[in-house]
Amino acid sequence: DGGITQSPKYLFRKEGQNVTLSCEQNLNHDAMYWYRQDPGQGLRLIYYSQIVNDFQKGDIAEGYSVSREKKESFPLTVTSAQKNPTAFYLCASSISTGEYQPQHFGDGTRLSIL
Amino acid sequence: AQSVTQLGSHVSVSEGALVLLRCNYSSSVPPYLFWYVQYPNQGLQLLLKYTSAATLVKGINGFEAEFKKSETSFHLTKPSAHMSDAAEYFCAVSDRGNTGKLIFGQGTTLQVKP
Repeated sequence: DGGITQSPKYLFRKEGQNVTLSCEQNLNHDAMYWYRQDPGQGLRLIYYSQIVNDFQKGDIAEGYSVSREKKESFPLTVTSAQKNPTAFYLCASSISTGEYQPQHFGDGTRLSIL
Repeated sequence: AQSVTQLGSHVSVSEGALVLLRCNYSSSVPPYLFWYVQYPNQGLQLLLKYTSAATLVKGINGFEAEFKKSETSFHLTKPSAHMSDAAEYFCAVSDRGNTGKLIFGQGTTLQVKP
């Protein structure tokens, strides 16, 4: 079955440590997105990529970095500069960046601070 | 700028009762609108989308939504609630400019009482 796989499901970060969240899709979608979800705040866009080897900052990119070297993969690194990283992180993809295209979501990674 | 407001962070209904989740949007141009559902510790699943083809949109699991331009609303309804409908629901509007970005509301948690 086609879909989006996020790993790990749970992740713990120590102070000063960078951690990388994996997102892989086999839907052959061009566009991919990373969101952060905090209770009562909905989803906020961190980074998005419209095509391989290209990505743009979203609304809350500070303290995060991404790469898009392959169409199916869009890993997110939470750096030590992100002072409040505890959240639920969701990866999504869509066929293209057309405004009418829905996004398909993975099951998320929950990041906590040790 | 596009925005979405979901009225009521928590809604409680009895099993078998009507479900009504409210969403109002702000957009200077005809919007593309989406409703997603999220079960605990999972990603978001698309319920339905409005892309201007019809004002009454039918989705999965018996849900539907009506686009009302005069009221700038896109409320989600289901005639008879089931226990399995208990989840968090998000309304979203597509950002303009073919970035594919979605702007989400804060979410509404639906509780279904037996």
